[in-house]
Amino acid sequence: DGGITQSPKYLFRKEGQNVTLSCEQNLNHDAMYWYRQDPGQGLRLIYYSQIVNDFQKGDIAEGYSVSREKKESFPLTVTSAQKNPTAFYLCASSPQGYEQYFGPGTRLTVT
Amino acid sequence: AQKITQTQPGMFVQEKEAVTLDCTYDTSDPSYGLFWYKQPSSGEMIFLIYQGSYDQQNATEGRYSLNFQKARKSANLVISASQLGDSAMYFCAMREDDSGGGADGLTFGKGTHLIIQP
Repeated sequence: DGGITQSPKYLFRKEGQNVTLSCEQNLNHDAMYWYRQDPGQGLRLIYYSQIVNDFQKGDIAEGYSVSREKKESFPLTVTSAQKNPTAFYLCASSPQGYEQYFGPGTRLTVT
Repeated sequence: AQKITQTQPGMFVQEKEAVTLDCTYDTSDPSYGLFWYKQPSSGEMIFLIYQGSYDQQNATEGRYSLNFQKARKSANLVISASQLGDSAMYFCAMREDDSGGGADGLTFGKGTHLIIQP
């Protein structure tokens, strides 16, 4: 089945640790995105990539890093520099110019 | 200033009634796209409908239609004959510079929590 997978669904980390969230798609989409959602809020764009080996900062990129070495994969690293990392993280992909398709999300809790 | 404003934090609607969810937007870009997504309690975002700024007609997808009033910068979602399964969060979103590839990220509103009552 075609789709976007994010793993794990729930992730727990201690403060000060870097953590990498996985996002894989088999839809052959060129563009991929990472969003963050806080309780009672809409989504905010962290990073996006339109093609392999290229990515752009979104509205809240500080404390995050990404890579796009393969078309299918767009992992997000939440670094220790991110002051409030606890949130729901959603990955999306799209064929350029069309709607974005979202994965099931990862709930990250940092204590 | 917020680019996407959804003024209804929550709504209660009787089953089978029509629902209108409000969305206003702010952009100076002549080319933009407007989207509506549904987010059930599971968290996944489900695409509902898209309207391009140059589209002459309002978009429709099954029970969903988008009431696009460009001069008022309004893009309200209308759900006809609501069902219990429509209960969810609904988000309005915008992509600016919708021409030339249109692969930029979306700007989301804060959402409306819709509850359909039997």
